[in-house]
Amino acid sequence: GAVVSQHPSWVICKSGTSVKIECRSLDFQATTMFWYRQFPKQSLMLMATSNEGSKATYEQGVEKDKFLINHASLTLSTLTVTSAHPEDSSFYICSAPTRIQETQYFGPGTRLLVL
Amino acid sequence: AQSVTQLDSQVPVFEEAPVELRCNYSSSVSVYLFWYVQYPNQGLQLLLKYLSGSTLVKGINGFEAEFNKSQTSFHLRKPSVHISDTAEYFCAVSDRNTDKLIFGTGTRLQVFP
Repeated sequence: GAVVSQHPSWVICKSGTSVKIECRSLDFQATTMFWYRQFPKQSLMLMATSNEGSKATYEQGVEKDKFLINHASLTLSTLTVTSAHPEDSSFYICSAPTRIQETQYFGPGTRLLVL
Repeated sequence: AQSVTQLDSQVPVFEEAPVELRCNYSSSVSVYLFWYVQYPNQGLQLLLKYLSGSTLVKGINGFEAEFNKSQTSFHLRKPSVHISDTAEYFCAVSDRNTDKLIFGTGTRLQVFP
C-alpha cells in the first residue's frame, strides 16, 4: 500500500533554533499534503495545506512566518518551525491524499521537543 | 464548516466484550466519514471509511461502523475486543470538495484482561 514517511522521527532542539521536518510520499505523487499538530492527549489540528508549485494555505490562527511550508516536488513537503520555543513542542504529522477511494495516508509523525 | 463530536473521551472495557465508540458530525454539505486508530507514539491508521452506498461499513481488525444520516452519526463497533485494541480512536469528516480532514477529540479505548 501507499506509504508516507517523515524525517526525523524525533528531534530535540534549543529554543530559538529552526527545525525542518520532511514528509515524503514513497510510491505515489501528491500535489497536496497536509500538516497536523497534536498536543499530548489531544486531537489532530490541521495547520496547513501544502500545495505543490504554489503557496501553502494556512488554517486560521497558524502563523505562516513561523511554520514555513515548502512543497518542493510531487513527493516531498517540508515544514520548518522557525525560532522554535518550548510551546512549539508537539507531535507533527503529515498526510497525503490519493485519488484512490479518497484515501489519505499519514506519516508516522515527528516528535519535537524544544528546550 | 464541518465539526465532529466524540462524546466519550475514555471507554474502559473488558476483553471479549462488545464496544461502541460514538461519533456525531455536523455539516452543511455531503461528507465522507472516517475512523482512524492511533497507537502510542505512532501516526494514524485508517480503520474504515464511508464514501457512499451501504451505510454499514466494515473495516480492518473486525471493526464496523454505521452511517446514520438522520442522526448525523457514524458510531464504531466491535463485537469482541482484544487487549491489542487498546489505542486512541479518532472519527473524522471531510467534505466532498476538499481533502481536508476534521478530527474529533478522540476516544481512548482501554481493554482490560
